[in-house]
Amino acid sequence: GAVVSQHPSWVICKSGTSVKIECRSLDFQATTMFWYRQFPKQSLMLMATSNEGSKATYEQGVEKDKFLINHASLTLSTLTVTSAHPEDSSFYICSAIREDTDTQYFGPGTRLTVL
Amino acid sequence: GNSVTQMEGPVTLSEEAFLTINCTYTATGYPSLFWYVQYPGEGLQLLLKATKADDKGSNKGFEATYRKETTSFHLEKGSVQVSDSAVYFCALSDRGGGSEKLVFGKGMKLTVNP
Repeated sequence: GAVVSQHPSWVICKSGTSVKIECRSLDFQATTMFWYRQFPKQSLMLMATSNEGSKATYEQGVEKDKFLINHASLTLSTLTVTSAHPEDSSFYICSAIREDTDTQYFGPGTRLTVL
Repeated sequence: GNSVTQMEGPVTLSEEAFLTINCTYTATGYPSLFWYVQYPGEGLQLLLKATKADDKGSNKGFEATYRKETTSFHLEKGSVQVSDSAVYFCALSDRGGGSEKLVFGKGMKLTVNP
């Protein structure tokens, strides 16, 4: 099956620093990728839709200047958490759309802890 | 807005036990419904889906039927195995395809003991 990877799998950073998370589709091209966020014992919440070659579309309540998304190629989308604060600590999950099968493939997630 | 409510766990079963995970939804229009499974250390994987009322999705011995009258999509398996230990998520898409953005339930962790 299709594989989506995320890097890093976990990261710990100091408050005020920026952290970049990568999402790669390893064996297919993805024009569209989604970024989700999951709090403990909560469901995945969609943050934004990442579109290759154009600006990301953010869900209501998600700060676009804080969560920068870049989808510069058909196999890579990055999420940068800028000026991170402890409340940004969460599990971030990406998914990539394989259009020929109309299926969404998920990465394993990245655990971010901001001290 | 759209929402999904599912049983919260964790749940522990013995091998060969019957499994039911309840899922109900609130949505306008005619959503597609999904069950995703997340095995330890891996990403969510599509387990099964149903795109219209009365459709039954099935895969790996799991089944779920799209019940519009009760707005439900309960997941069932007649005899669970240790390898079914995972977290199960119910989800919906309000625009049909699996490539659309999804609304998820909170997930339920299942542990199956030998």
